[in-house]
Amino acid sequence: AQTVTQSQPEMSVQEAETVTLSCTYDTSESDYYLFWYKQPPSRQMILVIRQEAYKQQNATENRFSVNFQKAAKSFSLKISDSQLGDAAMYFCAYRIPSGNTPLVFGKGTRLSVIA
Amino acid sequence: NAGVTQTPKFQVLKTGQSMTLQCAQDMNHNSMYWYRQDPGMGLRLIYYSASEGTTDKGEVPNGYNVSRLNKREFSLRLESAAPSQTSVYFCASRGPGGSYGYTFGSGTRLTVV
Repeated sequence: AQTVTQSQPEMSVQEAETVTLSCTYDTSESDYYLFWYKQPPSRQMILVIRQEAYKQQNATENRFSVNFQKAAKSFSLKISDSQLGDAAMYFCAYRIPSGNTPLVFGKGTRLSVIA
Repeated sequence: NAGVTQTPKFQVLKTGQSMTLQCAQDMNHNSMYWYRQDPGMGLRLIYYSASEGTTDKGEVPNGYNVSRLNKREFSLRLESAAPSQTSVYFCASRGPGGSYGYTFGSGTRLTVV
């Protein structure tokens, strides 16, 4: 079974600084998708960024970027110029493209932003 | 606004009571999902439905039943609530194409006393 591991239960960053959240996954598949979700105190789950495994180029969305290392099965999220609104739980998730296989989530990393 | 609507947002049940969590999406998505979120556990899949009329068990299905009433609606039922079912429940749907993420509802915080 596929598993997703987030080894940092909590992280903190100074406002305007850069922080990297770690995620590793275990799979024997060669084609799959990876996601980072943000969950602020409002509880809403918000898709931050996605990466297709067949793409070598790392995905970027404004201040959010990923470092995708397929061989190492690593998918870290970098947040640049951190803002107070970035404080949230962040979940890494994985799924394979075939059928309707569901998303598998990591346990999450709680990010605090210090003013 | 298009999206996933969950009701209720909060609920307190006594042990042994039953209730149904409602979920509806208006994006014409085929796939719908129910997850539960517990502290330190992330989101774990309870049940999912690939299309109208089909449902499948996820990682933690015990104590729950589901109904895919039509393409829009996917309900989760607790027949006899237990304190271990105290959690936040999320419904989600997925658009076409494998790289699409899920659209989540706003969640239901359920407390069983």
